[in-house]
Amino acid sequence: DGGITQSPKYLFRKEGQNVTLSCEQNLNHDAMYWYRQDPGQGLRLIYYSQIVNDFQKGDIAEGYSVSREKKESFPLTVTSAQKNPTAFYLCASSILQGYGPYEQYFGPGTRLTVT
Amino acid sequence: GQQVMQIPQYQHVQEGEDFTTYCNSSTTLSNIQWYKQRPGGHPVFLIQLVKSGEVKKQKRLTFQFGEAKKNSSLHITATQTTDVGTYFCAGPGGNTGKLIFGQGTTLQVKP
Repeated sequence: DGGITQSPKYLFRKEGQNVTLSCEQNLNHDAMYWYRQDPGQGLRLIYYSQIVNDFQKGDIAEGYSVSREKKESFPLTVTSAQKNPTAFYLCASSILQGYGPYEQYFGPGTRLTVT
Repeated sequence: GQQVMQIPQYQHVQEGEDFTTYCNSSTTLSNIQWYKQRPGGHPVFLIQLVKSGEVKKQKRLTFQFGEAKKNSSLHITATQTTDVGTYFCAGPGGNTGKLIFGQGTTLQVKP
């Protein structure tokens, strides 16, 4: 079964702790993305990566970090510097060739609650 | 910077009524995509429009891309309870493959 997996589905953390959200895809997609969604809000881009070992900041990168050591994996770390980390986090991937962009495939998301 | 705006933010309809959501971009778009997110779920790609004035249909859903390629609409005929969710439009954010999403329109259908 091809797709994107995110784990865990729900995550609870205490304020001041760093937390890493997992995102894995077996679609052989070059590009991967992290979005944040708040209740009643659209999707805001945190980071994206077009190739292994390279990534770019999105619109709201402050307080977050990522790595792309393997094509299929793009973990997101929510650091203690993120002022309001409680949100729904969505990972997505897409092909990246020619004149895009192409449709993005989303994972099921991780709901992070920080208290 | 580039912005993609959607209206309305929320829409409540009686089952069987029609529904339309509108998407407007601050810049000309090379293409536009539409996604649907069911309550508690994740966005799922519906369609991509590329040509000026393009109209595409998927059963009761009709998607249009404006002549100037700065606006788009999604129209649902005779809504059903299965249409409930949030509909997002998204345009390209430069030549990087990333998308700029609109705020979304949340549709609720009363049976």
